[in-house]
Formats: sequence, structure tokens, C-alpha cells
Amino acid sequence: GAVVSQHPSWVICKSGTSVKIECRSLDFQATTMFWYRQFPKQSLMLMATSNEGSKATYEQGVEKDKFLINHASLTLSTLTVTSAHPEDSSFYICSARAPGRVSDTQYFGPGTRLTVL
Amino acid sequence: KQEVTQIPAALSVPEGENLVLNCSFTDSAIYNLQWFRQDPGKGLTSLLLIQSSQREQTSGRLNASLDKSSGRSTLYIAASQPGDSATYLCAVRTGTASKLTFGTGTRLQVTL
Repeated sequence: GAVVSQHPSWVICKSGTSVKIECRSLDFQATTMFWYRQFPKQSLMLMATSNEGSKATYEQGVEKDKFLINHASLTLSTLTVTSAHPEDSSFYICSARAPGRVSDTQYFGPGTRLTVL
Repeated sequence: KQEVTQIPAALSVPEGENLVLNCSFTDSAIYNLQWFRQDPGKGLTSLLLIQSSQREQTSGRLNASLDKSSGRSTLYIAASQPGDSATYLCAVRTGTASKLTFGTGTRLQVTL
């Protein structure tokens, strides 16, 4: 149990286009999901916290108009990278919090590799 | 602001050796600490989670300890195997907001 999926697993797009990444909790309801980005050989940096039915909370330095987050249901959160640029190329990972499960832990998706040309 | 550091950044050991990975954090008021494994280009696999009230957790060949007052945790891997080769990340949860702060990671290579 506690499986989180991401789609797509990788995407290549042209500079200036928008890309949507989906994060789904497959076998549990997640009131809270988190979006991270990871540059090569670096650690994960939290971008934003997504709460179902409300606006996302962004970390300092993350542009909310560029990284649009929608948590429309208890099993789906989406991250849209608008007007993507090469510097947005990164590995994006989501996680979902499963309240009520042991230790209230987060379960991570497999990640999405974004390459902007 | 919580900062998490892991030492060493990279480690190469021959198969069969026991090894210790280190994690330190600046704010000792943590809720819990978690160790993850990440294979290249993949997501994270949770290995062990230690609550702030606990001193250690064990799973198979893995043992994680926590010394909250000194801001340190160690991950001990016994009888290492080539399949253990991966990047190991520690992450701390500070407060009840569920936000995790990740360490810089240790890239482990276990050679035959």
C-alpha cells in the first residue's frame, strides 16, 4: 500500500511552453502533497506544499506564478511549469502525506525528469 | 532555519564491509528523522524512520540511531552488498507541518 505515481516519468519540451506533471496517490487519500525539485547530484529542495481544496504554500524563492500547483482532489495534485526555460530542467518529485498511517510519513513518487531545450 | 549535512559525500567500500553514514542537523527540535535510498534517476525509498523520542530503529542489515540533543544520526549498514550502491539521504521533520528538510546525500558504491 501507499503508492504514489507520477506522470509523465520524463518530458522534453521547447523553451516557452508549459508542462504539466501529475502526482497521484493510488491507494490512499492525501490531504497534503509536497513538490520537490532536485538538480543533478544535489539534494531535494521543497518547492511547495499542496493542500486539497486550498491554495498551495510556496517556499521562499519559488515563483508561484511560474510553478502552478492544483490539488483538486484527495488523490491528485498537479504541477504546471509555465513558460519553461532551460534552467527549469530538473528532476521533480512529489510526495503524499498519509495521515493516520504509521508515523504520519510521506510517500514519494518516482519523479519526473524535465528537460527544456 | 534547519540545515542538514551528510558526511561523507561519497564512499566506496568492498563488498562485505560494515559502514556508517552520518547525518547532522542544526535545529535539535525535530519531530522525526528519516533515512531514504535513491537509485540514479529514480524516486526515494524510505528505509527507516526514527521518532524524536526514539534512539534507534533497525530493519534487516540497517540500523539507524538518533542523538537529538547533539543533532546527529547515523545509518549503519552491515555486510554491505553491491545492491546497496545508491545515494542515501537523511531528512528531518521539524515541527508538525510535515515539511522535510533533506541532507546533501552520501553516494555509496559497494564494489565486488
